[in-house]
Amino acid sequence: GENVEQHPSTLSVQEGDSAVIKCTYSDSASNYFPWYKQELGKGPQLIIDIRSNVGEKKDQRIAVTLNKTAKHFSLHITETQPEDSAVYFCAASRTLNSGGYQKVTFGTGTKLQVIP
Amino acid sequence: GAVVSQHPSRVICKSGTSVKIECRSLDFQATTMFWYRQFPKKSLMLMATSNEGSKATYEQGVEKDKFLINHASLTLSTLTVTSAHPEDSSFYICSASPRGRGRLGGYTFGSGTRLTVV
Repeated sequence: GENVEQHPSTLSVQEGDSAVIKCTYSDSASNYFPWYKQELGKGPQLIIDIRSNVGEKKDQRIAVTLNKTAKHFSLHITETQPEDSAVYFCAASRTLNSGGYQKVTFGTGTKLQVIP
Repeated sequence: GAVVSQHPSRVICKSGTSVKIECRSLDFQATTMFWYRQFPKKSLMLMATSNEGSKATYEQGVEKDKFLINHASLTLSTLTVTSAHPEDSSFYICSASPRGRGRLGGYTFGSGTRLTVV
């Protein structure tokens, strides 16, 4: 099955600096890579995702890059703000021919702390 | 769009009793929903895949008789923790994805249920 590793487990940055979280996956058939933000006591929220036919995707201060050959993908948050503090999870999945998705395999999570 | 509602958000029950958790897709139909368990400061562990109109598929090591899943309609899946014990205390989260070809957006998660068994 799929195995997703995520680093670092904790990350502290000063407000305004950038934060980078890295993940690797093992299943070359995985083709969908979402990132989730989880605040304390809440369910994960999708913040950005990328498909294997794309190398980079950006949404305002958040960007994700994918290196399919190396099976690496990363989350980049620029100009961090205190409200970015949360636990971030990467994940890998594979689309089915029907248009749905297989089960998602999550990374181990990164606790991001943005220091004002 | 793509809202998943989960209830209750918190529940405290006595050891030996059963607890039902509901997961509803509010604005889309979901033939498949997923149930996860999350321990403090840990990642999400998939417990089972809930399939509308058929039996759930459980992950290895998950007791199907203890964690009963029912997916009776395209918008509702329930997880019942039977004969709960303190070790079942955890954060349970459901997720779903809109069905249909070409639908983008991946999975939407519910807000989670904090179960405490005393």
